[in-house]
Amino acid sequence: AQSVTQPDIHITVSEGASLELRCNYSYGATPYLFWYVQSPGQGLQLLLKYFSGDTLVQGIKGFEAEFKRSQSSFNLRKPSVHWSDAAEYFCAVGVSGATNKLIFGTGTLLAVQP
Amino acid sequence: KAGVTQTPRYLIKTRGQQVTLSCSPISGHRSVSWYQQTPGQGLQFLFEYFSETQRNKGNFPGRFSGRQFSNSRSEMNVSTLELGDSALYLCASSFVVGSDYNEQFFGPGTRLTVL
Repeated sequence: AQSVTQPDIHITVSEGASLELRCNYSYGATPYLFWYVQSPGQGLQLLLKYFSGDTLVQGIKGFEAEFKRSQSSFNLRKPSVHWSDAAEYFCAVGVSGATNKLIFGTGTLLAVQP
Repeated sequence: KAGVTQTPRYLIKTRGQQVTLSCSPISGHRSVSWYQQTPGQGLQFLFEYFSETQRNKGNFPGRFSGRQFSNSRSEMNVSTLELGDSALYLCASSFVVGSDYNEQFFGPGTRLTVL
């Protein structure tokens, strides 16, 4: 069965520092992979997605992610974090044969220090 | 273009009652998915409706049900509420093109508290 692991529950970074959020997935074929962000009291906003092709994908708000099949990973990165990036981040994988069903990781809560 | 709207935003019920939540998708979107978000279980897929038919279903008991209307609006119903049903219920809509994945747009959610 498909699954997603986000090993870091909480991460704190200083404003202006770089960020990498880890995501590992379990899936038999080429996965559909997503990163979502959720601010307090808000729904989920899609940051970026990987379906196929170039393994480095660019998203909104300056985020990027790299798909590494050999490591079953899809880590999210940002070169310089802004205070407004403080939120919870979810990695998700699309389920084979179920077009709009997503399996989510447990999320990483990002705090940004001034 | 208006986003996905969910009503009500907050709801308090007692054990044993039933509840109906509503989701209006983005205009033109025909797929609506529902997710439950709790601190313990995280985000879990409930079901998806497309063209008034349930297309996918998660691993939830039969107390959780849904439907979709001809205008693509969707409702989900939870009967015989339990304390563990307290959660944020998120709805997502997408414009379906073929059988490939489509970006899902999420609403702000309905916060259900069961006392």
